[in-house]
Amino acid sequence: EAGVTQFPSHSVIEKGQTVTLRCDPISGHDNLYWYRRVMGKEIKFLLHFVKESKQDESGMPNNRFLAERTGGTYSTLKVQPAELEDSGVYFCASSPGQLYGYTFGSGTRLTVV
Amino acid sequence: GQNIDQPTEMTATEGAIVQINCTYQTSGFNGLFWYQQHAGEAPTFLSYNVLDGLEEKGRFSSFLSRSKGYSYLLLKELQMKDSASYLCAVRVPYGGSQGNLIFGKGTKLSVKP
Repeated sequence: EAGVTQFPSHSVIEKGQTVTLRCDPISGHDNLYWYRRVMGKEIKFLLHFVKESKQDESGMPNNRFLAERTGGTYSTLKVQPAELEDSGVYFCASSPGQLYGYTFGSGTRLTVV
Repeated sequence: GQNIDQPTEMTATEGAIVQINCTYQTSGFNGLFWYQQHAGEAPTFLSYNVLDGLEEKGRFSSFLSRSKGYSYLLLKELQMKDSASYLCAVRVPYGGSQGNLIFGKGTKLSVKP
């Protein structure tokens, strides 16, 4: 089966611009997670979808971040406007159920200059 | 708060055995995961412990003691390809869900010839 796919793999944008990251989970996986790793820090949870509903968005840093999962398939994470501290690697993961393991994508490396 | 500690770096020799420790203090516990991550790639699942004891899978074993908040990952017959970061992650329940992963900063393992 195809794994978790993230696009783009790299993105360099200027401060104040908007960027949209996309995640395609494994087909049939209802649970989709977004995580972020900023340089020198641990991977941190951002939010969790079950199908199209946000189960937990306690990790979203502020209202500049907007995640959607229309139709319960792929998800997008938009950062608007981007700030320097938003730079990092954004990972997406999916799982078929909450008692199962998570399959991660390769991540999107976002650099805000 | 949530805290997961693991050594920053370790070095071992090809063919040897290495143990990577992880201690955790979290607001809840719903399983402990170990992931392997090569630079620029997705974290890949290695093991999962939810009950005390040892789980063995080929050259990799993982141990959990919930009363001590402690886990280790044991890698046997080290190979050069095992050079990677090893991430310890605890799933912490949230609301009515099984929860989301809290990661340690990872242990960078270097395997020398």
